[in-house]
Amino acid sequence: GAVVSQHPSWVICKSGTSVKIECRSLDFQATTMFWYRQFPKQSLMLMATSNEGSKATYEQGVEKDKFLINHASLTLSTLTVTSAHPEDSSFYICSARGEREYEQYFGPGTRLTVT
Amino acid sequence: AQSVTQPDIHITVSEGASLELRCNYSYGATPYLFWYVQSPGQGLQLLLKYFSGDTLVQGIKGFEAEFKRSQSSFNLRKPSVHWSDAAEYFCAVGASGGSYIPTFGRGTSLIVHP
Repeated sequence: GAVVSQHPSWVICKSGTSVKIECRSLDFQATTMFWYRQFPKQSLMLMATSNEGSKATYEQGVEKDKFLINHASLTLSTLTVTSAHPEDSSFYICSARGEREYEQYFGPGTRLTVT
Repeated sequence: AQSVTQPDIHITVSEGASLELRCNYSYGATPYLFWYVQSPGQGLQLLLKYFSGDTLVQGIKGFEAEFKRSQSSFNLRKPSVHWSDAAEYFCAVGASGGSYIPTFGRGTSLIVHP
């Protein structure tokens, strides 16, 4: 149980276009989901906390208008990278909070390459 | 604010050898501590966690970790490593009075030689 999926797993897009990444909790409902960014050989950096039915809470330094987060339902959160640039290339990981506050179930990640 | 240091970027061990991955944290109060493993193509998986109580914590896959407050450490150990343990390991600290959202270390890559 407690599986989180991400789609796509890998995407290449041209500079200036937008890309949407989906995060789904497959067998449980998640009122809270998290979006992380991971650079090669570096830590996961929390970008934002997504709560179903309300606006996402962004971490300091994360551009809200560039990284649009929508938590449309209890099983789906989306991250849209708008007007992507090469520096947005990264590994994006989502997680969903389980029944207990400390439980987080992670998706496999999405590799974004902007050319 | 809390922080985590994993001083080793890479660790190489032979299959069957023992393993210790180091983790040091910084947090003003009693922290919540986690170890996660990340395998290629898979999401991070929780190996074990420490909130309170016994400072030696047992986890899945034969891993254990010991919380040492005096050293601000939470090192991960395994007595005998298997080739399938090759992965990226992340230590994380969460605020005990807060939202449990963990702050991650940069990770340690474990390489297992046959």
